[in-house]
Amino acid sequence: ETGVTQSPTHLIKTRGQQVTLRCSSQSGHNTVSWYQQALGQGPQFIFQYYREEENGRGNFPPRFSGLQFPNYSSELNVNALELDDSALYLCASTRGDRGSETQYFGPGTRLLVL
Amino acid sequence: GEDVEQSLFLSVREGDSSVINCTYTDSSSTYLYWYKQEPGAGLQLLTYIFSNMDMKQDQRLTVLLNKKDKHLSLRIADTQTGDSAIYFCAEYDGGFKTIFGAGTRLFVKA
Repeated sequence: ETGVTQSPTHLIKTRGQQVTLRCSSQSGHNTVSWYQQALGQGPQFIFQYYREEENGRGNFPPRFSGLQFPNYSSELNVNALELDDSALYLCASTRGDRGSETQYFGPGTRLLVL
Repeated sequence: GEDVEQSLFLSVREGDSSVINCTYTDSSSTYLYWYKQEPGAGLQLLTYIFSNMDMKQDQRLTVLLNKKDKHLSLRIADTQTGDSAIYFCAEYDGGFKTIFGAGTRLFVKA
């Protein structure tokens, strides 16, 4: 139990739709990172938020966007969904302004795009 | 570019030791991690090692780091059926992102 929660646990969408995934960080953690894990692969870094601002981004298009709120909870938004967006989406929180030293992962949201 | 590579599968008998290997490319990595993922679950941090260390032991887990060869290994002593899972090697680039390997699937035969 890491103290990081995500919702929903599962989601089914169709191509072209938009989706919002949510993450609640562990108490006291001001940095959150989002990862996409396709089936049979390792997690791929999407972006990181620190104190409500994007702190770094991986190789994902602009239709992947995020928000971090004053209570450090976070959202991942994906517009114009594509079939390849089907994956497990993981958020991870950490304390500190330089990102992971020890990241605590949530259980993930499994997204299926039809 | 940054890359982390692992062998895909490992099968051992219960009670034996398991050794999972990983190579990475980013010489500026500051931390190297081992995560465990069970079916349908998120990632569980098992252990991590600072890049200026050679070895770290934590109960049944031993991590060895060869910085010259950019090689990391995880040894699990007395492997149990509950250790069956996917194990991910990961490196932290000192900035904001962690790079993961594709994972090694460990099968433990009773």
